[in-house]
Amino acid sequence: GQNIDQPTEMTATEGAIVQINCTYQTSGFNGLFWYQQHAGEAPTFLSYNVLDGLEEKGRFSSFLSRSKGYSYLLLKELQMKDSASYLCAVMDSNYQLIWGAGTKLIIKP
Amino acid sequence: GAVVSQHPSWVICKSGTSVKIECRSLDFQATTMFWYRQFPKQSLMLMATSNEGSKATYEQGVEKDKFLINHASLTLSTLTVTSAHPEDSSFYICSARESGSDYNEQFFGPGTRLTVL
Repeated sequence: GQNIDQPTEMTATEGAIVQINCTYQTSGFNGLFWYQQHAGEAPTFLSYNVLDGLEEKGRFSSFLSRSKGYSYLLLKELQMKDSASYLCAVMDSNYQLIWGAGTKLIIKP
Repeated sequence: GAVVSQHPSWVICKSGTSVKIECRSLDFQATTMFWYRQFPKQSLMLMATSNEGSKATYEQGVEKDKFLINHASLTLSTLTVTSAHPEDSSFYICSARESGSDYNEQFFGPGTRLTVL
């Protein structure tokens, strides 16, 4: 079956760095997405990786290793507004998104 | 660019009534739109994939006669929850994929919160 695993909840301190991991097993691979979702709102796009390596976009970076079925989202200089759920999603061979359950990130002052 | 709207943002209805939710891609054409449902503290659950001009493809366990999907144009898909019951109360989110795009990103609407009394 298809499976996306990510931690349920993480806590970090304002100004610090946090890494959210995601491992996946899917039928085919057409890219991995990270989305941010604040409570009561729809997800917003953060990053897309289809090749191995690190993609940097401001305070957020995303890494992918296809051979290991592994990705991480790295958030630097954490701000209180970064408190949200972070969703990992993999697009399978049918171009359908398989979603992880999301990681709730709590930022403390 | 790549804006998706949903209407209404929230709706409260009585049990047994039908509710229609609209999803529009405002500045691009979307051959494919997706309908998701999200219960509190849970991840997105894909309900169906909607392709313009053809029947929607429903995920296992989703009743197609209860959740009617129409994708009549490249910018509009509708989800109708027929004979809604309290257990249908949820956050419904649509997303759209731009036609002909090599980039597989889905653009999400803001969601519709449905409460069935």
